[in-house]
Amino acid sequence: EAGVAQSPRYKIIEKRQSVAFWCNPISGHATLYWYQQILGQGPKLLIQFQNNGVVDDSQLPKDRFSAERLKGVDSTLKIQPAKLEDSAVYLCASSLAFLGRVVDEQFFGPGTRLTVL
Amino acid sequence: AQTVTQSQPEMSVQEAETVTLSCTYDTSESDYYLFWYKQPPSRQMILVIRQEAYKQQNATENRFSVNFQKAAKSFSLKISDSQLGDAAMYFCAYRSGLQGAQKLVFGQGTRLTINP
Repeated sequence: EAGVAQSPRYKIIEKRQSVAFWCNPISGHATLYWYQQILGQGPKLLIQFQNNGVVDDSQLPKDRFSAERLKGVDSTLKIQPAKLEDSAVYLCASSLAFLGRVVDEQFFGPGTRLTVL
Repeated sequence: AQTVTQSQPEMSVQEAETVTLSCTYDTSESDYYLFWYKQPPSRQMILVIRQEAYKQQNATENRFSVNFQKAAKSFSLKISDSQLGDAAMYFCAYRSGLQGAQKLVFGQGTRLTINP
C-alpha cells in the first residue's frame, strides 16, 4: 500500500512570498490532517478534513494560511504572505475514519521543510 | 485544553540496554488514547505503540512497552534490548476519545541516542 505522499520535500522562500504544499493521502482515507512542526517542538495540528469538509481549523492562522481538499482526496496548504516564524516542517497525515472505540491510526507523510529567509 | 509534557529533551543508552522515556499529560477527560511516535532523521512519524485509557493492561509491542498510570497521568515508554535503529526523536501524543476529536496533541519530544 502506498503511503502518504507530499511535495516538495524542501522549499526556501523569502518573507512575504507565497508557497504551496501538496499532499496525497493513502487511498480510501477519509480524514486528512496538516500539522506544523517547528524545530525542537512536537507537531501541532493546523487543519483537519473529513472528506472535503473542514472538521477543525481552530489553530490555523487564517489571515495567511489556507487549505483545501479537492474532491475529498488531495489537499493543498498555502501560505501567503510567509513570515519568518513560518519556518517549519509541514506534515500531512491521513486516517480511515473514527469508528467508535476503534482507533484509526494516523499515517504520516515525509513532510515538507520550509525555510523562510 | 489537553497538554502533553516530556521532561527529558535528550536520553542516551548503551546498545542492548533498556531505557525509559517519560511522559505526563493533563486532561479532564476520562476517555482518551495515548501514543508514542518515533521520528527518525527522515522526518516520517512512525507509530510505535498505543494505549487506550479504558484498558488497565499496559500495551506491549515486541521490545516496546508502556507503563500507563492513569491516576498519575503518566505514560512512559520502555525500550528493551536497545538497537542502533532505535535512535530517533520520540514523541508522546494524546488523542481525545470524543467522536470527531481526532487531532493528536504532541509533547516536545525526547531525542534518543544509542551508543554502540
